[in-house]
Amino acid sequence: AQTVTQSQPEMSVQEAETVTLSCTYDTSESDYYLFWYKQPPSRQMILVIRQEAYKQQNATENRFSVNFQKAAKSFSLKISDSQLGDAAMYFCAYRSAQGAQKLVFGQGTRLTINP
Amino acid sequence: GAVVSQHPSRVICKSGTSVKIECRSLDFQATTMFWYRQFPKQSLMLMATSNEGSKATYEQGVEKDKFLINHASLTLSTLTVTSAHPEDSSFYICSAQSGANQPQHFGDGTRLSIL
Repeated sequence: AQTVTQSQPEMSVQEAETVTLSCTYDTSESDYYLFWYKQPPSRQMILVIRQEAYKQQNATENRFSVNFQKAAKSFSLKISDSQLGDAAMYFCAYRSAQGAQKLVFGQGTRLTINP
Repeated sequence: GAVVSQHPSRVICKSGTSVKIECRSLDFQATTMFWYRQFPKQSLMLMATSNEGSKATYEQGVEKDKFLINHASLTLSTLTVTSAHPEDSSFYICSAQSGANQPQHFGDGTRLSIL
């Protein structure tokens, strides 16, 4: 079974600075998807960024980018120019490209933005 | 686009009551819907996967007679917590997917409190 590990329960960053959230995963599959979701206090799950495992190029969405290291099974999220609205729980998730399409989530990292 | 509506957002009821939660995809057809449970300060745990017109697939440890899932149409899935007890109090979130390898879109969640 696949597992996702986020080793940082909490992180904090100064507004306008850059922060990196870590995520590692374990799988024997070669084709899969990785995601970062944001859950603000409203509890809504918001997709931040998505990476296909077959793509070598790291995904980027405005201030959010990932460092995908397939051999190391690492998938970190970098948030540039942090804003107060970025404060939330961040979950890393894995999904197989075959069979069941269920998401496997990491434990989450609570990100605090200091003004 | 890709809006998922979950209703109700908050339920408070007495022990022994059955509670139904609805999950609707408003602007797309959801071939697959997922139900998650989230305890305070924890990650999302998948309860079951439902495909339109077929029986739900439950994760290990989830009682299918306790948590009844119906996916009668391509836009609606329901989760019924039967004879709810205080230990069933939690945050329940649904997600919907329009097809294989498409993103999951999440509802806003339902906070269930059993007195």
